[in-house]
Amino acid sequence: AQSVTQLDSHVSVSEGTPVLLRCNYSSSYSPSLFWYVQHPNKGLQLLLKYTSAATLVKGINGFEAEFKKSETSFHLTKPSAHMSDAAEYFCVVSVSDYKLSFGAGTTVTVRA
Amino acid sequence: DVKVTQSSRYLVKRTGEKVFLECVQDMDHENMFWYRQDPGLGLRLIYFSYDVKMKEKGDIPEGYSVSREKKERFSLILESASTNQTSMYLCASTPGRGGSPLHFGNGTRLTVT
Repeated sequence: AQSVTQLDSHVSVSEGTPVLLRCNYSSSYSPSLFWYVQHPNKGLQLLLKYTSAATLVKGINGFEAEFKKSETSFHLTKPSAHMSDAAEYFCVVSVSDYKLSFGAGTTVTVRA
Repeated sequence: DVKVTQSSRYLVKRTGEKVFLECVQDMDHENMFWYRQDPGLGLRLIYFSYDVKMKEKGDIPEGYSVSREKKERFSLILESASTNQTSMYLCASTPGRGGSPLHFGNGTRLTVT
């Protein structure tokens, strides 16, 4: 069965330093993968989506993710963190035409 | 922009009550979903609907039912609320099928006492 594992439940970075959020997936075929962000008291917002067109995917707000089939990973990065990046981030894999499987989430804290 | 509106931001209900959570989307999306979100567990799918009057169980349907009488509205029903249903409930919608991104509402935080 398709699933995702987010390797860090919490990441703390200083403003202006890089951010790395790690995600591994398991899938019996080439999956569709997503990263979503949830700011406090808000719903989830799509950051980016991988659907096999290119292994490096650029998203909104300066985020990008790289699909590595050999490592079954889909890590999310940003070169320079901003205070507004403080949020919870979810890695998601498409299980079927209608169903998605969500990781447990990574909470990002940004220190001034 | 797609707007998914959940009727209540916060709800407090008593054990045994019948609870209705309402969700409306304004972009004529075929598919609608109800998730619950709990710390450390991510989002878990309760039910989804791919057409009016159609519904499918998700991963945790026990204790819940749904109704979709109109395309834009998807209701989640807790038949007899219990304390273990205290959670954040998120509604989402997508057009078509095959990996389309979800559009989420802002959530309803339900507390059952």
